Amino acid sequence: KAGVTQTPRYLIKTRGQQVTLSCSPISGHRSVSWYQQTPGQGLQFLFEYFSETQRNKGNFPGRFSGRQFSNSRSEMNVSTLELGDSALYLCASSQGLAGVGYTGELFFGEGSRLTVL
Amino acid sequence: QKEVEQNSGPLSVPEGAIASLNCTYSDRVSQSFFWYRQYSGKSPELIMSIYSNGDKEDGRFTAQLNKASQYVSLLIRDSQPSDSATYLCAVVGAGGTSYGKLTFGQGTILTVHP
Repeated sequence: KAGVTQTPRYLIKTRGQQVTLSCSPISGHRSVSWYQQTPGQGLQFLFEYFSETQRNKGNFPGRFSGRQFSNSRSEMNVSTLELGDSALYLCASSQGLAGVGYTGELFFGEGSRLTVL
Repeated sequence: QKEVEQNSGPLSVPEGAIASLNCTYSDRVSQSFFWYRQYSGKSPELIMSIYSNGDKEDGRFTAQLNKASQYVSLLIRDSQPSDSATYLCAVVGAGGTSYGKLTFGQGTILTVHP
């Protein structure tokens, strides 16, 4: 079956702009998590959505937001971009949440590489 | 203290040797532990999960867990150049604000040279 699909794969923005990234999870997966990956900080948890509700949130400023639709597809948005937002943004899907059939196995997409100039 | 800590390496081992990767975590009540592998330019993929104290073997990979010491390790026997990658330790939080979050360590870069 198809894996996790992220779009766009690459994008370049300038400071102050905003960006929206999209993620389509594996069919049947209801949980979508977003991570930011940078060489200095590694994989940092952004947020997790399950059944259209944000269930967990990492320590990122309010400029970072997300949502999930009824078909489990998810988007994340970063407003007022800063140079430090340049990173690989990874989306991952899983079958459930902790305590609700969650195995901890995340299936990652290829990522969206954002460059902020 | 970071929630999940790994030796960043890089760790270099000769082909055929045992590679040992270590990880410590801060959440004393965590119950679920994972090792992901990430090749350069690729996304992480799950290679091992462990939930109980002791060893869990899967082919050339052995995960070891010691909850009392809050320590997880991954051993790769008969290391191959194709094992060269970044290995990420991940822990599911079980308490407080960490509940249900899968937190990753910084990763250990492993290079297996012929």
